[in-house]
Amino acid sequence: DQQVKQNSPSLSVQEGRISILNCDYTNSMFDYFLWYKKYPAEGPTFLISISSIKDKNEDGRFTVFLNKSAKHLSLHIVPSQPGDSAVYFCAASAYDKIIFGKGTRLHILP
Amino acid sequence: DVKVTQSSRYLVKRTGEKVFLECVQDMDHENMFWYRQDPGLGLRLIYFSYDVKMKEKGDIPEGYSVSREKKERFSLILESASTNQTSMYLCASSLLLGRVKDSPLHFGNGTRLTVT
Repeated sequence: DQQVKQNSPSLSVQEGRISILNCDYTNSMFDYFLWYKKYPAEGPTFLISISSIKDKNEDGRFTVFLNKSAKHLSLHIVPSQPGDSAVYFCAASAYDKIIFGKGTRLHILP
Repeated sequence: DVKVTQSSRYLVKRTGEKVFLECVQDMDHENMFWYRQDPGLGLRLIYFSYDVKMKEKGDIPEGYSVSREKKERFSLILESASTNQTSMYLCASSLLLGRVKDSPLHFGNGTRLTVT
């Protein structure tokens, strides 16, 4: 029973274009959402987050959008760069627990 | 910068062996976590600890135990390794429990364990 779903295992985007990674969740008690980025042979690194009381948070090239009524969030990367090629994990938090999605592998094409 | 260090990058063990995975963090964080990452399954929480000698089960604790004798060190123990425990194991730490917005997880680089 997945509480955090990333339905696209992989995504390919041309360099310079916008990358949009999607995430759905089922638990209404989640109050904080995070995105982590993972390169091969490294641990995940925190990228950006958003509180459930907001609908948008922006940090440089990265923007996270939250649609609470749809229980959906998305990460936008613009413009996409070669170094953005990685696995992206969506995560959601309620109380003491952080639940991760299965991840989406993003390939930035030259 | 927070540094979370896992003692081994790669480990190969035999079925039935007792396996210790060690993790050390250098930022005086209260909370430490063990996750495993498997293809198609994402990151799953095994155990976490919010204080010395305290531990809480995560989503998949079966076959594992943990030890936290000192604040900076959190060990994951496979009492009798099995082939289905072949995985990438990730340790993480955070400053505050229940305050995710102030204290996101910081991960180590992982230990890839193969059980044959």
